[in-house]
Amino acid sequence: GENVEQHPSTLSVQEGDSAVIKCTYSDSASNYFPWYKQELGKGPQLIIDIRSNVGEKKDQRIAVTLNKTAKHFSLHITETQPEDSAVYFCAAKLGNQFYFGTGTSLTVIP
Amino acid sequence: SAVISQKPSRDICQRGTSLTIQCQVDSQVTMMFWYRQQPGQSLTLIATANQGSEATYESGFVIDKFPISRPNLTFSTLTVSNMSPEDSSIYLCSVGLGETQYFGPGTRLLVL
Repeated sequence: GENVEQHPSTLSVQEGDSAVIKCTYSDSASNYFPWYKQELGKGPQLIIDIRSNVGEKKDQRIAVTLNKTAKHFSLHITETQPEDSAVYFCAAKLGNQFYFGTGTSLTVIP
Repeated sequence: SAVISQKPSRDICQRGTSLTIQCQVDSQVTMMFWYRQQPGQSLTLIATANQGSEATYESGFVIDKFPISRPNLTFSTLTVSNMSPEDSSIYLCSVGLGETQYFGPGTRLLVL
């Protein structure tokens, strides 16, 4: 199956700074990579995704990049705000199954 | 996307008892999934529940412990049977729509 690794496990940034979370995957057949944000006491919410035929995708302050050759993808959050504080999960889809990273706890310090 | 609700949102149960978690979706979906998320951990797939077929369980999860029902395209239940404190966790319902998965709010279970 697929193996997804996610780094860092915790990340603290000052409000207004950028945050970057990185994931690697092992199976080159994985073709879809979503990112989820999980706030305390809630379920994971899809915030952005990217398909394997695309290198970069942006949605306001959030962007995702994919390097298929290196089998890694990253989440970039710019101009961070306190409400960005949450746990972020990356995932890779192989066939019909999703494989999740271990999560990054992001704290934005006001 | 899909609007997914779960009941109960949280519960405290005694060991040896069973709890049934309900998952309701606002649209018809073929693929539904049940995950477990232990405190501070990632998401672990328990089983895939497709309507009209038996649930498919992942390694380490068995039907006797986690029986699942999928009576129609908008509803599923997961039962946690004969609970022990090790079953204390968040249980998440998820649906597959298009390429992606959407998650419910979760059921927070504490077993004493």
